[in-house]
Order: sequence, then structure tokens, then C-alpha cells
Amino acid sequence: KQEVTQIPAALSVPEGENLVLNCSFTDSAIYNLQWFRQDPGKGLTSLLLIQSSQREQTSGRLNASLDKSSGRSTLYIAASQPGDSATYLCAVKESNYQLIWGAGTKLIIKP
Amino acid sequence: EAGVTQSPTHLIKTRGQQATLRCSPISGHTSVYWYQQALGLGLQFLLWYDEGEERNRGNFPPRFSGRQFPNYSSELNVNALELEDSALYLCASSLRQGVSTNEKLFFGSGTQLSVL
Repeated sequence: KQEVTQIPAALSVPEGENLVLNCSFTDSAIYNLQWFRQDPGKGLTSLLLIQSSQREQTSGRLNASLDKSSGRSTLYIAASQPGDSATYLCAVKESNYQLIWGAGTKLIIKP
Repeated sequence: EAGVTQSPTHLIKTRGQQATLRCSPISGHTSVYWYQQALGLGLQFLLWYDEGEERNRGNFPPRFSGRQFPNYSSELNVNALELEDSALYLCASSLRQGVSTNEKLFFGSGTQLSVL
């Protein structure tokens, strides 16, 4: 059974710092891995999708990597800003098209 | 272009009542997913509809049910409400799965259901 873990559960850093969020999964037979952000009481916004054949994806200050063999993905945020404060979730898509979700990392960027 | 829309935004019910939540997907999307997000917990998959049919169901009791209409909008019904049903219910849509395995999910802002 696929399990997705995100560490740490919460992270607080000063504005301007670069940071890395971690996501690990137990079964490497995935179609893709996605990173989302969720603002309090709101829905999720898709940030990056990495296909199983890819190593990384970039969008602006965000860079996500995928290492299927080790069951790990990282989300790198450069030059963090207070507006980056949110909960970040990762999810892997399995062969039955279902997404298995991590519990998220709550990120706080201090001005 | 409109995103995924959910209504109502907030819903307050008492134990034993029924709740109906609605979702309109992005135009052109045929797949609709329902998730429950209880306070402090991760997303729990409820239901997946595609082309009007239920494709998969999460580990929830039968009192959680739904349907998808010909225009691909969807309803989630929760019967015999219990206190622990209080949660944010999120709807997401995507292009039809199977066309590609890499279709992104687009989420609505959710319905906050409170059961008193």
C-alpha cells in the first residue's frame, strides 16, 4: 500500500531564505507526482507536476525534483516571500489514477 | 474561463440531517473528484466520477453518495449526518483520465460543512 510522507510538518523561516520541502513515497510505481499549495480554508492550487520519466520541473522560484528509485521528491523555493506562506502538499498518482496524498508541510515565512 | 465552482461555501446542519454539496467543473473537464479534509487531517478521497459514472470510491460509508449530471457537474450527498462529518469538502476536476495519465487536478474553494 502506497504511503506518502511529508517532513517537516511545519516550517518557519525568515523572508528571503531558500528552503526545501520533502516528500517521500513507499512504492516507486507511480505515474507522476504533484505539488500543491493550500491557503487556509481554501482549495488547492497545482504548482508543479513531474511525470515519472522526468527528474525535475521548474516554475518561477519553484523547482521540484523526483527520484523514483529512492522514493523521494523535493520542492525548492528560492528567495522566500511572506506570500509563500501556505500548506504545501504532495501527491503521487498510481496506476488506478488515484492520488495518494501526504499530510502537508505548513510553511510560515516571517517578514 | 471559470474555474471549479462549489456551492454553498458554508453549510450548517444538525445531526441526522442530510447535506447536498454541488460542484461545477471547468468547461471541458469530464472527471470530478470529491475529497474530505477534516481539521488537521490530510485529504481523504471520497468519490470519482467520469463521463457520468462512478469510477472509484474511497473508504467511506454508503451514506456518502453522489452523482454526475450530463453537463458533468456533480452532487455529493451525505445522509444521516454525524458530528465527525464536519470538514471542508473539496471538489476537483480534470480532463478524462486515460487520455493522459498526467492530467492536472484543478480544485474548487470547497464547502465548509459544520454538523452541530
